[in-house]
Formats: sequence, C-alpha cells, structure tokens
Amino acid sequence: GQQLNQSPQSMFIQEGEDVSMNCTSSSIFNTWLWYKQDPGEGPVLLIALYKAGELTSNGRLTAQFGITRKDSFLNISASIPSDVGIYFCAGPLGGGADGLTFGKGTHLIIQP
Amino acid sequence: KAGVTQTPRYLIKTRGQQVTLSCSPISGHRSVSWYQQTPGQGLQFLFEYFSETQRNKGNFPGRFSGRQFSNSRSEMNVSTLELGDSALYLCASGSGGQLYNEQFFGPGTRLTVL
Repeated sequence: GQQLNQSPQSMFIQEGEDVSMNCTSSSIFNTWLWYKQDPGEGPVLLIALYKAGELTSNGRLTAQFGITRKDSFLNISASIPSDVGIYFCAGPLGGGADGLTFGKGTHLIIQP
Repeated sequence: KAGVTQTPRYLIKTRGQQVTLSCSPISGHRSVSWYQQTPGQGLQFLFEYFSETQRNKGNFPGRFSGRQFSNSRSEMNVSTLELGDSALYLCASGSGGQLYNEQFFGPGTRLTVL
C-alpha cells in the first residue's frame, strides 16, 4: 500500500514561532488531508486539499498540495500553546472507498 | 450537527475474549471507516462500510470484523483477543462520495487487553 513519510517526527519550538512540516508519498494522491489529534481524542480535520498546487488556509494554518501530487506541506504561523498536539497527513487508499492512509505524525511541543 | 459518537469509551478485556465496539456516524453520512491506533504502528485502516456493504479492507486478520446497519450505525468485533490488540479504535464517517475523502473522527474506544 501507499507509504506516507511525514517529517519531522517531533518539533520543540517557542511560542510565537512559525512551524513547518511536510509529508511525501510513494504514489500520486488526488486528495491530501491534514488532521490534529489531542491526547485522548480522535483526530480533527484541519484542512483538505483537492488540486495540485492548491494553497488553502484555516486561520493561522496554511497547507499546500505539491505540484507533483506526491507531497504536501502544513505551516502554522505564530504558534500558541493550544497548537500542541500531533499533526497527521493523510491520503486516500483509493479504490473508490473512503479509507485513508496516514503518516506517522509530527508531535508539536511548544515551550512558553 | 452532532459529531461521530463511539461507545464504550474505555474497555478492559482478557486474552481470548471477544469485544464489540459501536459507532454512530454524523447524520446523513453513509460511509463509516474503522482504524486502529497504536504507538508503534500509528493509525491503520481496518475496513470501510458504505450502505451496509464493506467497500475496502485493510491488512488485518479475520478476527477483526465489522458490519453496518441500515441507519448507517456500525459495529466492529474482535474475537479471540490478543495482548497486541490493545489500542485506540477510531471510527470515522464521511459522505461516501467518490470525489472527496474527508472523514470525521469520533473520540475512539480505548481497548486494553490483559
């Protein structure tokens, strides 16, 4: 199946800093999704991307669908303490079904 | 709209037992997918149901099974539990359309196998 490589695995940053993370795939995707998971909760959908080259924002979050269709990027500007959590990229498994394959996640830790 | 609900939230079982987990999707959503989340393997797709039919299945043994009812509610069952089945089991619902793959997750069921 498709492998999603997400980096970095973890980030230790200061409050107010900008954050960048990325995800690469071994195969082409038609959709890229970014989720955030807080401890003890399910992942929450942050941004969905549907077109190569697309740049989409959700508040301080901006995500891009790479033009090769094999990568995607998520940026968080001016990080705040509630941004702490694990961020996952995901893409469809294909076959006309809704199942997703996920990256291993980027663990964001913010030092005040 | 109410979100995805899962019951129970926590479960403790012993090896060899079986367990049934329940998921109610967002109203109007016809697709329900199940995932297993562990620290070592991350989020792994189990199976997806749409209109009571399994449309896709991940690479898990036959001890893992599921079904979907006519009201789109879904259950998953794990028989002959093993220690390695301890995980957070997540259910996600979606519209089931082929153009979009947005899925919305419930809070999960934390299963501990002793």
